[in-house]
Amino acid sequence: GESVGLHLPTLSVQEGDNSIINCAYSNSASDYFIWYKQESGKGPQFIIDIRSNMDKRQGQRVTVLLNKTVKHLSLQIAATQPGDSAVYFCAEKRYNNDMRFGAGTRLTVKP
Amino acid sequence: DAGVIQSPRHEVTEMGQEVTLRCKPISGHDYLFWYRQTMMRGLELLIYFNNNVPIDDSGMPEDRFSAKMPNASFSTLKIQPSEPRDSAVYFCASSFSRGYEQFFGPGTRLTVL
Repeated sequence: GESVGLHLPTLSVQEGDNSIINCAYSNSASDYFIWYKQESGKGPQFIIDIRSNMDKRQGQRVTVLLNKTVKHLSLQIAATQPGDSAVYFCAEKRYNNDMRFGAGTRLTVKP
Repeated sequence: DAGVIQSPRHEVTEMGQEVTLRCKPISGHDYLFWYRQTMMRGLELLIYFNNNVPIDDSGMPEDRFSAKMPNASFSTLKIQPSEPRDSAVYFCASSFSRGYEQFFGPGTRLTVL
């Protein structure tokens, strides 16, 4: 029979462009958020984190924005490179300290 | 540190056989997590340990699944008997503290025929 799987949101960008990956979280009491990158055949890897007392945090080529009003998190990647092609997950730390992962977004970088 | 180590990296077995997946967490990490990743359900938490003690196994799908952590440097996830629907990538992760960055291993790709 036909298999039904998760329909991952997909973002396709041109090399050198900026990428923005979005994530909605569910719990207004969540106070810590992480973005993970998962390349094909590998486990998720930490990219950047942010605490709920911040709106923005920058790393090398990456920026995470947190909008607590609408419970929205975004990851911005500057000057996207082919090596950035991967699935990106957001994770939230809930009130009971559980980390919950989103479904992920697949980023494809076109040369 | 070599990071989280998992073995085997690939496992192909037949339905009904016992499967044992192994994990060595990062030294000094007090928390160890087992996840399953499939196209159907994404990344699912199966069980986690704190200081070698199982804390929450509510994600373990059935009694066929069991996990142990006999010491701080080793954990196993066992499936007995295995079924085709258990085919997935199983990840082990460890962290210094619950609710903070988790370091993932490379995963074990399990195929049950």
